[in-house]
Amino acid sequence: DAGITQSPRHKVTETGTPVTLRCHQTENHRYMYWYRQDPGHGLRLIHYSYGVKDTDKGEVSDGYSVSRSKTEDFLLTLESATSSQTSVYFCAGGDTHRSGNTIYFGEGSWLTVV
Amino acid sequence: SQQGEEDPQALSIQEGENATMNCSYKTSINNLQWYRQNSGRGLVHLILIRSNEREKHSGRLRVTLDTSKKSSSLLITASRAADTASYFCATDSGAGSYQLTFGKGTKLSVIP
Repeated sequence: DAGITQSPRHKVTETGTPVTLRCHQTENHRYMYWYRQDPGHGLRLIHYSYGVKDTDKGEVSDGYSVSRSKTEDFLLTLESATSSQTSVYFCAGGDTHRSGNTIYFGEGSWLTVV
Repeated sequence: SQQGEEDPQALSIQEGENATMNCSYKTSINNLQWYRQNSGRGLVHLILIRSNEREKHSGRLRVTLDTSKKSSSLLITASRAADTASYFCATDSGAGSYQLTFGKGTKLSVIP
């Protein structure tokens, strides 16, 4: 979905450094999500937001924090990167409707922690 | 933990054949969705089926849902090389939840 863009798309960082991944949406989605995708685990929810300044933890939230100061932007921060956080990170956005809660994904951010 | 589990993990077929992928889940749901992911790309929504529906069609896609067995299947008819991708089922956790839980996916290879 071209309405959701992630930056950076690729990053290599050192263990112990903080890292922020940015997600920007132009679709006015109320809900936004950060997932990580790893071989053998599929997609796992890290954090999500149900409105500006309203966020909550997902399945694998340890070591991550998020912020949403505007509807358009959802930031994911790795407070002190570890090698286990090497992964592909996907941002997604969506809205609940009577017909369901389809979500729309960005193209992913490849993060390598060395 | 994963709510949905796809089966098989990988599937290889010839172009023109039908491809069937299955998804099992554990708890009650409001709806079940299927997504597709091309290599190196984000996931794209394919189809949504509600818990009170048994079958749904969209083009070459046919989805079935059996809530008594907590399972769903995705059938792609007359497959094409361009259908090569990973396919994921996703479920909400019921009670109007806006969280989606994804399975590990089925990797489909369609050989020209």
